[in-house]
Amino acid sequence: QVHLRQSGPGLVKPSQTLSLTCAISGDSVSSDSVAWNWIRQSPSRGLEWLGRTYYMSKWNYHYAVSVQSRITISPDTSKNQFSLQLNSVTPEDTAVYYCARWGHTQYYFDYWGQGTLVTVSS
Amino acid sequence: DIVMSQSSLSVPVTPGEPASISCRSSQSLLKSNGNTHLNWYLQKPGQSPQLLIYLGSNRASGVPDRFSVSGSGTDFTLKISRVEAEDVGVYYCMQGLQTPHTFGQGTKLEIK
Repeated sequence: QVHLRQSGPGLVKPSQTLSLTCAISGDSVSSDSVAWNWIRQSPSRGLEWLGRTYYMSKWNYHYAVSVQSRITISPDTSKNQFSLQLNSVTPEDTAVYYCARWGHTQYYFDYWGQGTLVTVSS
Repeated sequence: DIVMSQSSLSVPVTPGEPASISCRSSQSLLKSNGNTHLNWYLQKPGQSPQLLIYLGSNRASGVPDRFSVSGSGTDFTLKISRVEAEDVGVYYCMQGLQTPHTFGQGTKLEIK
């Protein structure tokens, strides 16, 4: 059974960096059959896919255009986890953030983290 | 980007009655291999979204056969044959054809 456990601060000041981590159990961040994603949810934007990383001969990264200048998703093989960094946040980045697994051959998000409400406020 | 649209924000239903939730995509989700890259999720209050239906019409593990999907290409309907109290929540359609993966705005199933 795969389990994703999220951690990170729930309050970030404007212009600072949002950082979240997703710890994986029951699978490997280096698995070549899945991708590791970050998705956020807010009343104004709904569910919004932010980006993903996956290993297939090398590490690959794909980001949503809306955040690509500010986002970094990083795998950590030593801790079997991956992280999200979103720079220069504004109140519009206030949302519940989820990590989720995507199967390359299943074509759906099957496991999700518990969600982290991140509020951007001074 | 593929835009996913759900026509109803809310669907009130009496327990035991059927319910339908519509979803439309801005381009066909049918791939040349015959797979339709449409998924449905249910988000219960206070929870993360959970997979209901994948690749068009396949029920995820543990999903009762009260749930089914009709439609093809760009127009889809999630059907619940007999609504139960445990079905309440927000239903989202999502396209898995390409990144960015995009979601509909959600349809809230409410019990009358």
